Amino acid sequence: SQQGEEDPQALSIQEGENATMNCSYKTSINNLQWYRQNSGRGLVHLILIRSNEREKHSGRLRVTLDTSKKSSSLLITASRAADTASYFCATDERETSGSRLTFGEGTQLTVNP
Amino acid sequence: DTEVTQTPKHLVMGMTNKKSLKCEQHMGHRAMYWYKQKAKKPPELMFVYSYEKLSINESVPSRFSPECPNSSLLNLHLHALQPEDSALYLCASSHRHGRTQETQYFGPGTRLLVL
Repeated sequence: SQQGEEDPQALSIQEGENATMNCSYKTSINNLQWYRQNSGRGLVHLILIRSNEREKHSGRLRVTLDTSKKSSSLLITASRAADTASYFCATDERETSGSRLTFGEGTQLTVNP
Repeated sequence: DTEVTQTPKHLVMGMTNKKSLKCEQHMGHRAMYWYKQKAKKPPELMFVYSYEKLSINESVPSRFSPECPNSSLLNLHLHALQPEDSALYLCASSHRHGRTQETQYFGPGTRLLVL
């Protein structure tokens, strides 16, 4: 199955700065989801954006989706040390509809206090 | 209750052992999933159960045997594993498994080491 690619693979910023992570995919999608994973723990769902939506907000999170470029970005504003984690995008690909989420390789975010 | 629980948290087993991983949710979800995750890699889907029936098996070796005794419980039986099977095993659930993939709720995982 195809996987999304995330960029950058690793990101290190200072507390208070904004963090932007990007995700690209290859096929048409029903929706795209972002998950967060603290080291060695389970994934936590952050936000879901449908293919007919272009932008979505949740607290300090802003997600954009450009279906023409097959890409999405996750912006975390005013970052905190507690935001340190791995962030994964996951796509619900239309061609494999009804089957599975396809996870990207992930971005490791480190927020330095 | 919006929690998925997994037991045990850690498991060390020899290649000849038989062990089981357990997963439980009480959110009324009718879809449950097993994922395998190696270090610094994304989760890889292993199995999907929908309404207690096996819906997807991603060509997983038979040494992994899933079981869904009821809508709240999901087990993964392990037998004759290999050292390369060492990984974090994640359970997840969602309202249903259908034409569109919904939000999945993950457990904390079981860290498995096969010696």
